[in-house]
Amino acid sequence: DAGVIQSPRHEVTEMGQEVTLRCKPISGHNSLFWYRQTMMRGLELLIYFNNNVPIDDSGMPEDRFSAKMPNASFSTLKIQPSEPRDSAVYFCASSLVTGGASPLHFGNGTRLTVT
Amino acid sequence: AQTVTQSQPEMSVQEAETVTLSCTYDTSESDYYLFWYKQPPSRQMILVIRQEAYKQQNATENRFSVNFQKAAKSFSLKISDSQLGDAAMYFCAYSSEGAQKLVFGQGTRLTINP
Repeated sequence: DAGVIQSPRHEVTEMGQEVTLRCKPISGHNSLFWYRQTMMRGLELLIYFNNNVPIDDSGMPEDRFSAKMPNASFSTLKIQPSEPRDSAVYFCASSLVTGGASPLHFGNGTRLTVT
Repeated sequence: AQTVTQSQPEMSVQEAETVTLSCTYDTSESDYYLFWYKQPPSRQMILVIRQEAYKQQNATENRFSVNFQKAAKSFSLKISDSQLGDAAMYFCAYSSEGAQKLVFGQGTRLTINP
């Protein structure tokens, strides 16, 4: 079990540039989550997918953010154009939902810095 | 909407002693799940322990145990025989029955003094 794999681990970009964060969930998991962590707001859920379908995107800050899950083994979170206030650690997590409590398995996160 | 509150931004404990981290939550639901996650400096979020609200028995995982008080909406984490490797941010989290997403508290930074 390789765990949830995120790339890149660090990303530094200039304001206005497009940023794409990538995630490979644990094989066999059917739910995928994108969280953002900042000192001010803590851990916030941005969006989650179930069986590759977006279920709840109410946490996506604005239209500059978009997420896709084209297949069960890959997801992207895109920010276009990026702004300094987007600087944060972005986590991807996956779980196998079989009913009841399904713990989330997190990746190591991508630290995004927008200058 | 459910909320999770961790009132202790920082805690410290001597190695080998016991420490308790506090968590309260607000919900109108009767069935739900509660979790404690650990985030060491490596940044990865690691599940420590979980509790089903319908279970009266408190969950235990080795040196980690919880005190779940459903009526008081309290879910504290006790770490016994603290070790240096326990130093981390600890997050309390809530999940509704049938929902998959977690709502997190603000976290408690735990320092272990040798």
